[in-house]
Amino acid sequence: EVQLVESGGGLVQPGGSLRLSCAASGFTFSSNWMHWVRQGPGKGLVWVSRINNDGSSTSYADSVKGRFTISRDNAKNTLYLQMNSLTAEDTAVYYCAIYNSGSSEYWGQGTLVTVSS
Amino acid sequence: QSALTQPASVSGSPGQSITISCTGTSSDVGGYNLVSWYQQHPGKAPKLMIYEDKKRPSGVSNRFSGSKSGNTASLTISGLQAEDEADYYCCSYAGSSLVFGGGTELTVL
Repeated sequence: EVQLVESGGGLVQPGGSLRLSCAASGFTFSSNWMHWVRQGPGKGLVWVSRINNDGSSTSYADSVKGRFTISRDNAKNTLYLQMNSLTAEDTAVYYCAIYNSGSSEYWGQGTLVTVSS
Repeated sequence: QSALTQPASVSGSPGQSITISCTGTSSDVGGYNLVSWYQQHPGKAPKLMIYEDKKRPSGVSNRFSGSKSGNTASLTISGLQAEDEADYYCCSYAGSSLVFGGGTELTVL
């Protein structure tokens, strides 16, 4: 069974940093592209970033470019999202998902990031 | 990376059919056969309903169908059921990125 479990969310002050993790199991992690999608409170889904299977290629939404870094450790079956210079607009539930030809059949349950003083 | 345009809400009675539109540009919806649709119930993760414009993942009811014409994709739900009440999002590949629609709230009357 495919499982994606996000962790690392929490309350952080504006300007602060946070690193999210996504532990993967039930599939060959090193063969799959992955991405992060976020959803602000009461708002819609927004694509954040994606990474290819070996980590050599990444892409970011304009809103996070230069502040967020996606990475992966295929030996640990784990996806990461390093988030720096956080603002209130980054407050959201962050989902990791398997990325396959532009769509995602498998998602994690999400982790909440709240940016507030 | 502008969001795709969806109606904010649609509604229908049980047994009826509804269609949700998703309008983009030639750089996203119209440029690739990579539109997907997601269903999301409150407090839950999104569920993939349609991928590659019109394909259904295993286990998704054939009451759900996808289509596309030019820069506009559509999701049609036939034989509407109470359990279909949810938010629906379209999503398109846009080169090196993905772009989502703003979401449509479906109410089953």
